[in-house]
Amino acid sequence: KQEVTQIPAALSVPEGENLVLNCSFTDSAIYNLQWFRQDPGKGLTSLLLIQSSQREQTSGRLNASLDKSSGRSTLYIAASQPGDSATYLCAVVESDMRFGAGTRLTVKP
Amino acid sequence: NAGVTQTPKFQVLKTGQSMTLQCAQDMNHNSMYWYRQDPGMGLRLIYYSASEGTTDKGEVPNGYNVSRLNKREFSLRLESAAPSQTSVYFCASSSNPGPYEQYFGPGTRLTVT
Repeated sequence: KQEVTQIPAALSVPEGENLVLNCSFTDSAIYNLQWFRQDPGKGLTSLLLIQSSQREQTSGRLNASLDKSSGRSTLYIAASQPGDSATYLCAVVESDMRFGAGTRLTVKP
Repeated sequence: NAGVTQTPKFQVLKTGQSMTLQCAQDMNHNSMYWYRQDPGMGLRLIYYSASEGTTDKGEVPNGYNVSRLNKREFSLRLESAAPSQTSVYFCASSSNPGPYEQYFGPGTRLTVT
């Protein structure tokens, strides 16, 4: 059974810092991996989707990498801002989508 | 385009009551999904519909039923609510089943007392 783990569970950084969020998964036979943002009391907003054949995807200040062989993905956020404060979820797709529990990020002004 | 919409946004039920959560999408997607999210856990798949007229169980289907009413709408029914079903419920859709990007609704926060 696929297990998805996100470490740390919570992270607090000062504004302007570059940071990395981690996602690991146990079964490398995935189709793709998706990173989401969730604001308190809201739904999920898709940030980046990496196909299994890709190594990374970039969108603005966000860069996500995928290493299937080691079962890892990272989400890099450059020059963090208070508006980046949210919970970040990763999910892997095999026959269905499996989610990690998320990392709650706080960016302090 | 509204994307994926869900009703209601909030609901409080007593143990044993029944209710139906509604979900609709306007993106002409074939596949739709119901998830639940509990504190400290990721989303878990309850049921999904790969295409109109089909439904399948996900990871945690017990206590729930679903109906794919048409291509746009996918409902989730709790026949006899239990406190363990207190959760936030999310509906999602994708163009096709499998490795396609999923789009999520805003969620329904359900409390069962």
